[in-house]
Amino acid sequence: NAGVTQTPKFQVLKTGQSMTLQCAQDMNHEYMSWYRQDPGMGLRLIHYSVGAGITDQGEVPNGYNVSRSTTEDFPLRLLSAAPSQTSVYFCASSRPGQGARAPEAFFGQGTRLTVV
Amino acid sequence: RKEVEQDPGPFNVPEGATVAFNCTYSNSASQSFFWYRQDCRKEPKLLMSVYSSGNEDGRFTAQLNRASQYISLLIRDSKLSDSATYLCVVNIREAGTALIFGKGTTLSVSS
Repeated sequence: NAGVTQTPKFQVLKTGQSMTLQCAQDMNHEYMSWYRQDPGMGLRLIHYSVGAGITDQGEVPNGYNVSRSTTEDFPLRLLSAAPSQTSVYFCASSRPGQGARAPEAFFGQGTRLTVV
Repeated sequence: RKEVEQDPGPFNVPEGATVAFNCTYSNSASQSFFWYRQDCRKEPKLLMSVYSSGNEDGRFTAQLNRASQYISLLIRDSKLSDSATYLCVVNIREAGTALIFGKGTTLSVSS
């Protein structure tokens, strides 16, 4: 069972280039989200989705686009990379909660992005 | 002010020690509460959910005080393998979708 798969694991971009970070999950989870993690900052929510065709902004959405055309995939697009977007990016998925039971979020292994 | 605040530590303790981490959150509408563990350069993994009644999982005990907007994690009989960063996490929208993380508390357990 693959869980949450992120590709690529490492990427170096030049300022101004665009690229898409891929995220796929095989657990049939409705919810998916993207986070970035910077030293001393913890994880910050970029965008999230509660189902196919539905996305919303998180804490730090500027410079990123997302779409959710299928349940399985939730790609993150960098429109014009900037050095400030150098970070580790994590994708996560989860099921909806059931009553008082809070669901677990499963994370991919991360994509380490450097923008030069 | 960040929505979830944690003491960053580091906490350096010997094996067998008891250590407590605290966390406060600012959004009173927060729905769900968690402690995640993150090992160096790895993805976060759920340690335990936190409920108002308090909950225990082996050597780990988590408490939630909604009135004070305060979450705690107690680790008893620390092991070397407990060395990691512990992340306090709250969910502010549909359960499981929009997690807000504290910056994490680093624990180092030594022999």
